[in-house]
Amino acid sequence: GNSVTQMEGPVTLSEEAFLTINCTYTATGYPSLFWYVQYPGEGLQLLLKATKADDKGSNKGFEATYRKETTSFHLEKGSVQVSDSAVYFCALTTYNNNDMRFGAGTRLTVKP
Amino acid sequence: DGGITQSPKYLFRKEGQNVTLSCEQNLNHDAMYWYRQDPGQGLRLIYYSQIVNDFQKGDIAEGYSVSREKKESFPLTVTSAQKNPTAFYLCASSRGTGENQPQHFGDGTRLSIL
Repeated sequence: GNSVTQMEGPVTLSEEAFLTINCTYTATGYPSLFWYVQYPGEGLQLLLKATKADDKGSNKGFEATYRKETTSFHLEKGSVQVSDSAVYFCALTTYNNNDMRFGAGTRLTVKP
Repeated sequence: DGGITQSPKYLFRKEGQNVTLSCEQNLNHDAMYWYRQDPGQGLRLIYYSQIVNDFQKGDIAEGYSVSREKKESFPLTVTSAQKNPTAFYLCASSRGTGENQPQHFGDGTRLSIL
């Protein structure tokens, strides 16, 4: 079946450090890929998405490139801020949203 | 502003009691979903609905029930049959069920057992 594997957290960085959160997937067909962010006590917010191979999703300084050859969708940001502290989820869907699969989430803490 | 409203934010259940979690959306979305989130885990799908008066079981439907009488509303009932109901419950909606449609989430309801 379809699945998503994220790097285990927690991840702790200093402000202005470079961030990478790894995400790999297994899917039949051609999935669409998403990154969601969850702040404490809140629901998930869509951060970015990519719907086909080699697409790059970007938002608020975060980027992720859909790599079909390595089945990956790693999240990156060049300079993190304290306000980026949250839990990040990688997710995929295939032919319909009823089959959206989430990774376990990676908690990021950014220290001043 | 359009969005998804979940209520209450915190809910407590006594043993043997059914409780209902509310989810309302004004995004005019056709599809709605309920997820359960446990600490350190990803989201698991409980139920989903693609259109009014229709819904389908997800991966962990046992001990839960839903209804979809209106497009805007998708309440979830946690029954006494659910033996481990303590969790964070998230409701989501999407414009349709095509793979390019992202899901939009409410702020969740945290359910605890007294």
